Amino acid sequence: DAGVIQSPRHEVTEMGQEVTLRCKPISGHDYLFWYRQTMMRGLELLIYFNNNVPIDDSGMPEDRFSAKMPNASFSTLKIQPSEPRDSAVYFCASSLATRAQYFGPGTRLTVL
Amino acid sequence: KQEVTQIPAALSVPEGENLVLNCSFTDSAIYNLQWFRQDPGKGLTSLLLIQSSQREQTSGRLNASLDKSSGRSTLYIAASQPGDSATYLCAVPALIQGAQKLVFGQGTRLTINP
Repeated sequence: DAGVIQSPRHEVTEMGQEVTLRCKPISGHDYLFWYRQTMMRGLELLIYFNNNVPIDDSGMPEDRFSAKMPNASFSTLKIQPSEPRDSAVYFCASSLATRAQYFGPGTRLTVL
Repeated sequence: KQEVTQIPAALSVPEGENLVLNCSFTDSAIYNLQWFRQDPGKGLTSLLLIQSSQREQTSGRLNASLDKSSGRSTLYIAASQPGDSATYLCAVPALIQGAQKLVFGQGTRLTINP
C-alpha cells in the first residue's frame, strides 16, 4: 500500500520564482495537512483540508503561500514569489478522521 | 495556546539499555497524543497513538504512557538497538475546533552506541 507521495523531493530555485509542491495522500484518507520544518521553528502546520475543503489556514505565513486540493487524491502548495527565508522541508500528511497522521518523505526547498 | 516540550533534547546511551523519553504539554484537554520517529533527511513515521481514554499503548519494544492530569507522556524503549537512533517527536492536537491541528515538541535526538 503506497504511503503519502510528495514531489519533487528536492527543489532549488532563485528568489522571486514560483514554486509548486505536490502531494498525493493515502487513498481513503479524508484529512490532508501541509507542514513546514526548520531548525529554528521545528514543525509547523501551515494548512489542512477535510474532504478537499480548507479548514484552517492560520499557519500560512503570508499571502505568498497558497494551497489547493482539487480532488481527494491531489493537493498543491504554491509559493509565489519565493524568498530565501522560505527554505525548509515541506511535509504533506494525511489521516482518516482523528486517527494517526501519516507523513510523506518531504520536499527540501532551497531558495537562493 | 498548547505548548509541547520534550526533555532531553539529545540522549546518547549504549546498546541494550532501556530508556525513557519525556513529553509534556500545557493544556491537558487533549483527546490523543502521537509519538513519531524521524530519521535524518526523512519524513516522520508514526509509532504510537494514545487516545485520551487510554493510559498506555504498546508496539513491540515501545511503550507509551499518557497522564493527562499532569500533562505528561513517556515513551519507553526496551533493549535499545543502534537502529533505534533517530529523533523522536511527540504531538498533541491544539485545543481548537479543528481538533486535528497537531502541535509538535522539538524532539529528542537519540543515539544508541554499539
